Amino acid sequence: RKEVEQDPGPFNVPEGATVAFNCTYSNSASQSFFWYRQDCRKEPKLLMSVYSSGNEDGRFTAQLNRASQYISLLIRDSKLSDSATYLCVVNGGSGNTGKLIFGQGTTLQVKP
Amino acid sequence: NAGVTQTPKFQVLKTGQSMTLQCAQDMNHEYMSWYRQDPGMGLRLIHYSVGAGITDQGEVPNGYNVSRSTTEDFPLRLLSAAPSQTSVYFCASFSQGDTGELFFGEGSRLTVL
Repeated sequence: RKEVEQDPGPFNVPEGATVAFNCTYSNSASQSFFWYRQDCRKEPKLLMSVYSSGNEDGRFTAQLNRASQYISLLIRDSKLSDSATYLCVVNGGSGNTGKLIFGQGTTLQVKP
Repeated sequence: NAGVTQTPKFQVLKTGQSMTLQCAQDMNHEYMSWYRQDPGMGLRLIHYSVGAGITDQGEVPNGYNVSRSTTEDFPLRLLSAAPSQTSVYFCASFSQGDTGELFFGEGSRLTVL
């Protein structure tokens, strides 16, 4: 089983839709969680960190459920420019903060 | 600021050849990592380093060697290339003192024939 798992999609949604991505992780000692965005053939870029209490950045909301070892990303009012692959990233725990593991990514295609 | 610089951007090798992918960062980050990305597989961690002189294995270390003699440099060596190592390789660095945001190089596309 991979340490970090995501539904690869693709998710095809119309502009304006709300879409949610899920991610599960297997290491209960993990302490840091992130969502990254990757455009085709480009390097990944940080979208947002995920905090225990949940956090929001404009149209994007991230949630963490430590008990279920589950992270989510909600995108409201989808734009064409949101089309990309979204990657869940988890660290290896308190003794392994330098080890950041990626999920396989979820592809989002927003259509007009 | 140059950030994270990877070279070469493209490379074609024959099976059995060796090569080194170079990675340098000028942000004084403690942590550096190498990932490979294959279609449908996301990024998989090859090796990582938490500081000069310290390296550790990631998810897919076999066939690759690394060293970290300085804070700035983290080269990845393929000792005997195999077609299974055809991939896009990304080097990344981050500072634990910040948000933990990974800064990536632009990637190196390697083809092994």
